[in-house]
Amino acid sequence: SQTIHQWPATLVQPVGSPLSLECTVEGTSNPNLYWYRQAAGRGLQLLFYSVGIGQISSEVPQNLSASRPQDRQFILSSKKLLLSDSGFYLCAWSSQSLGTEAFFGQGTRLTVV
Amino acid sequence: KQEVTQIPAALSVPEGENLVLNCSFTDSAIYNLQWFRQDPGKGLTSLLLIQSSQREQTSGRLNASLDKSSGRSTLYIAASQPGDSATYLCAVQNSGNTPLVFGKGTRLSVIA
Repeated sequence: SQTIHQWPATLVQPVGSPLSLECTVEGTSNPNLYWYRQAAGRGLQLLFYSVGIGQISSEVPQNLSASRPQDRQFILSSKKLLLSDSGFYLCAWSSQSLGTEAFFGQGTRLTVV
Repeated sequence: KQEVTQIPAALSVPEGENLVLNCSFTDSAIYNLQWFRQDPGKGLTSLLLIQSSQREQTSGRLNASLDKSSGRSTLYIAASQPGDSATYLCAVQNSGNTPLVFGKGTRLSVIA
């Protein structure tokens, strides 16, 4: 069976510090991978998605970046965090070979102070 | 650009009631539609996936329908229980490799 791991679960970081959130998927190959952010009252906002290694699409211009160094690994980064980067970050995967149903990780609560 | 709307934003019902959550989308050329549940502070749990060629899907007390031509889906919850209290999110995908577009969700409270 397939599983998705996302860590850390919570993170408190000062303004201007770097960020690295990691997401890995097990039990499937060549998944589509997604990063979403959920802010209070604003719903889920797509940040990045990737259909293969080295293929990253950015939906929202900001100080965040994403990388996919391995087939089943997706990393969200920032060089310098802003207060506005606070939120709940969710990683997800789907696979066309498995019917495109999307599955989410448990999320990372990021608070920038 | 696809937009997804969920009505109502919040709903409170007594235990045992049957209820319907609504989802509408602006571009009817969807690939699939998915309903999720989110508990406070947690990730999303997939409830039902409806492919574009399907009209409905059922899982236990949940039934989701899809009317592509009118751009609507409903999630029917039978005999609601306090454990059903959560936020329910609807999302559509326009093709197999494009991301899900989400509504803002309906926050459901089932009162014992």
